[in-house]
Amino acid sequence: DAGITQSPRHKVTETGTPVTLRCHQTENHRYMYWYRQDPGHGLRLIHYSYGVKDTDKGEVSDGYSVSRSKTEDFLLTLESATSSQTSVYFCATHPRGLRAGTDTQYFGPGTRLTVL
Amino acid sequence: GNSVTQMEGPVTLSEEAFLTINCTYTATGYPSLFWYVQYPGEGLQLLLKATKADDKGSNKGFEATYRKETTSFHLEKGSVQVSDSAVYFCALSGGSGGGADGLTFGKGTHLIIQP
Repeated sequence: DAGITQSPRHKVTETGTPVTLRCHQTENHRYMYWYRQDPGHGLRLIHYSYGVKDTDKGEVSDGYSVSRSKTEDFLLTLESATSSQTSVYFCATHPRGLRAGTDTQYFGPGTRLTVL
Repeated sequence: GNSVTQMEGPVTLSEEAFLTINCTYTATGYPSLFWYVQYPGEGLQLLLKATKADDKGSNKGFEATYRKETTSFHLEKGSVQVSDSAVYFCALSGGSGGGADGLTFGKGTHLIIQP
């Protein structure tokens, strides 16, 4: 358990509204990630961060933005939510980045987002 | 780019049956391979991993061997229990294909064990 919390855990919102999900970690891990989980797709990477203010896109980044102003917090923002963004969102962390070594990622408990 | 293919479920077995969940991958270079498990309503937990060819990962009676010649990482367990009911994900990281730093997941296999 890498001390990862996500908030909120559940959210229902309407199409067109902005939504921000928060991931908080207490392990001082350098890398943080956002994934979405959908039936029939497994988990897909949205964005990741390799340090404060350093972020990059993943496989499904369209419609999402991220920010990391502190090591411990990684925010995922949906500027104008759409029904296709209804999903379960998982945050993950890694001490040094997956390409740097053989450690694994640690996952948070997830946020279930429903966009009506 | 990297990709992972695993058998989709649901897979339904009786308690004490032998389990195999197939996983094959596409990646250049030498990726690390993982199996994650997700119990109902929870996040993902690492089940086992292997970081080089012929390595065998094992945990809680589950095993998987990194087979580079067949690009496979099949999950096996000799005698499953009802408590093993969950969704299992095969995943990889690394390799030499560049791209984002993150795991590439299969679609997940829903395993149901009946008493």
